[in-house]
Amino acid sequence: AQSVTQLGSHVSVSEGALVLLRCNYSSSVPPYLFWYVQYPNQGLQLLLKYTSAATLVKGINGFEAEFKKSETSFHLTKPSAHMSDAAEYFCAVTSGGSQGNLIFGKGTKLSVKP
Amino acid sequence: NAGVMQNPRHLVRRRGQEARLRCSPMKGHSHVYWYRQLPEEGLKFMVYLQKENIIDESGMPKERFSAEFPKEGPSILRIQQVVRGDSAAYFCASSLLGASTDTQYFGPGTRLTVL
Repeated sequence: AQSVTQLGSHVSVSEGALVLLRCNYSSSVPPYLFWYVQYPNQGLQLLLKYTSAATLVKGINGFEAEFKKSETSFHLTKPSAHMSDAAEYFCAVTSGGSQGNLIFGKGTKLSVKP
Repeated sequence: NAGVMQNPRHLVRRRGQEARLRCSPMKGHSHVYWYRQLPEEGLKFMVYLQKENIIDESGMPKERFSAEFPKEGPSILRIQQVVRGDSAAYFCASSLLGASTDTQYFGPGTRLTVL
């Protein structure tokens, strides 16, 4: 069965610092992986997705993630944090098979200090 | 607005009442997913529907919950005889193809509070 673990429910960085949000997955089939961002009282917005093409995936707002099969990881990074990046970030994997049901991690809340 | 629409945005019900949550997918999308988000938790899959068909309801509680996506009109998530534990944010997402690589576009959610 597929699952996702996000290490660290809260991460705090200073403005301009590197952002690193960790995601490890477990999957019995080649995974398709997604990162979504949720701002307060809003829905989820797709940042990027991995669908077995390039292992380094670039997304919106300067974020990128690298799929590492040997480490079963799909960590999200951004070189320089901005105040507007403060939000909750969710890693997700599809449930396997042909359907797109997503299995989400518990989320990581990112705070950005001035 | 071409995005996923959900209404109402906030819904308050007393225990024992019924809650109806509506979701209009993006234009051209015929695949709809419902997820529930409990406080301090990630989203949990509930049900996947195509027009007039329930494809996967493995995440739906066995009692009191039902969903439909009629040929015309929005998808409806219905919760009968609500209890306090049903208080959560309910999100709808739609996709074009329903495939596992397909992007799901999320609505703003309905926040249900049961008194």
